[in-house]
Amino acid sequence: EAGVAQSPRYKIIEKRQSVAFWCNPISGHATLYWYQQILGQGPKLLIQFQNNGVVDDSQLPKDRFSAERLKGVDSTLKIQPAKLEDSAVYLCASSFDIFNTEAFFGQGTRLTVV
Amino acid sequence: AQSVTQLGSHVSVSEGALVLLRCNYSSSVPPYLFWYVQYPNQGLQLLLKYTTGATLVKGINGFEAEFKKSETSFHLTKPSAHMSDAAEYFCAVSDRTGANNLFFGTGTRLTVIP
Repeated sequence: EAGVAQSPRYKIIEKRQSVAFWCNPISGHATLYWYQQILGQGPKLLIQFQNNGVVDDSQLPKDRFSAERLKGVDSTLKIQPAKLEDSAVYLCASSFDIFNTEAFFGQGTRLTVV
Repeated sequence: AQSVTQLGSHVSVSEGALVLLRCNYSSSVPPYLFWYVQYPNQGLQLLLKYTTGATLVKGINGFEAEFKKSETSFHLTKPSAHMSDAAEYFCAVSDRTGANNLFFGTGTRLTVIP
């Protein structure tokens, strides 16, 4: 069974530029999550989708971050404009449904903002 | 609201020695509790989880954890450390609404000394 796929693996951008990350969840998984992991900290949930609807985006900085999951499968997370403090690993995870307690994580995208 | 405290950002043990990684949680409702492991440049992998039932939970790779409600703890143990156990370990908590919104601790880096 293929796992959660993320791309790119690494990205370096200058501050004020924009960037997008892509995630393809495990086939059949209805719930998709984006987490931000800053160096030395645990992952923090940014947004959670159930199919193509948003369940929780309370910790998403909506002035610069946006995410979509238009067809209920792949998802894109965008940052525009990026700030230095956005440097982090962005992890995508998926679970079978909202009530399933095991989330499977991708390898993440490491973003460096200079 | 949920929160997790992991005591000790770095733990070193000798190969063959007992591994003990500490986790205390705070939750206003009965929690679900998790331990995840993260190898360098990899995503998070679920080691074990507690939802209901038996308070001693066995996971993969010989790890186990015990839910102690009176102590609000969920410490991770392994009787004998192996070199391959060297990694970052994260304790996480979620509430029981089924949203699978994980709140992570700051992590403990385990070093195994040969």
